Amino acid sequence: GQQLNQSPQSMFIQEGEDVSMNCTSSSIFNTWLWYKQDPGEGPVLLIALYKAGELTSNGRLTAQFGITRKDSFLNISASIPSDVGIYFCAGRLGGNRDDKIIFGKGTRLHILP
Amino acid sequence: NAGVTQTPKFQVLKTGQSMTLQCAQDMNHNSMYWYRQDPGMGLRLIYYSASEGTTDKGEVPNGYNVSRLNKREFSLRLESAAPSQTSVYFCASSGGTAYYGYTFGSGTRLTVV
Repeated sequence: GQQLNQSPQSMFIQEGEDVSMNCTSSSIFNTWLWYKQDPGEGPVLLIALYKAGELTSNGRLTAQFGITRKDSFLNISASIPSDVGIYFCAGRLGGNRDDKIIFGKGTRLHILP
Repeated sequence: NAGVTQTPKFQVLKTGQSMTLQCAQDMNHNSMYWYRQDPGMGLRLIYYSASEGTTDKGEVPNGYNVSRLNKREFSLRLESAAPSQTSVYFCASSGGTAYYGYTFGSGTRLTVV
């Protein structure tokens, strides 16, 4: 089946550093989504991207829908302790809002004191 | 607006026992999903329901059954729990008009001993 390759699997950074993570696939997606999961909670949507080349920001977070529609990246600027958690990319192959979403395996972000 | 509500939050079962995980959403979403999350494995789809009255297998359905009781409720049943089913279980829903992603519950942490 379709897979999303998310990297890196984990990151250890210093507070204040910028973070970059990405998601790639051999399939073309119509929607890219980025979620964050805080410890002990369910994933929460951060950013949704609907068009190839689209660049969207949400505070210190910026995500882009790759021009080939096979990849997406998420950047976090000036990291703070509350950025700790697991970040999931997700993609929807179909154009219907009820089509299933495929999730990457996640990037676990650690911030060193 | 509660979103997606899962019960219970924590459960310990003995091998061979049965239990039902409950999920309810109040967003009038058509589709509902059950995922399990294990370390390093990301989110794996167990079963989903595209609409009231329909259910389909996901990536890891063995050992589980589901019931879409009505549009709001989607339950997951373990008939004979096994230690391999120790995991965190998330329910999600989608299909509203607000956006194209999933809304997740806060999870059920299940331990089978």
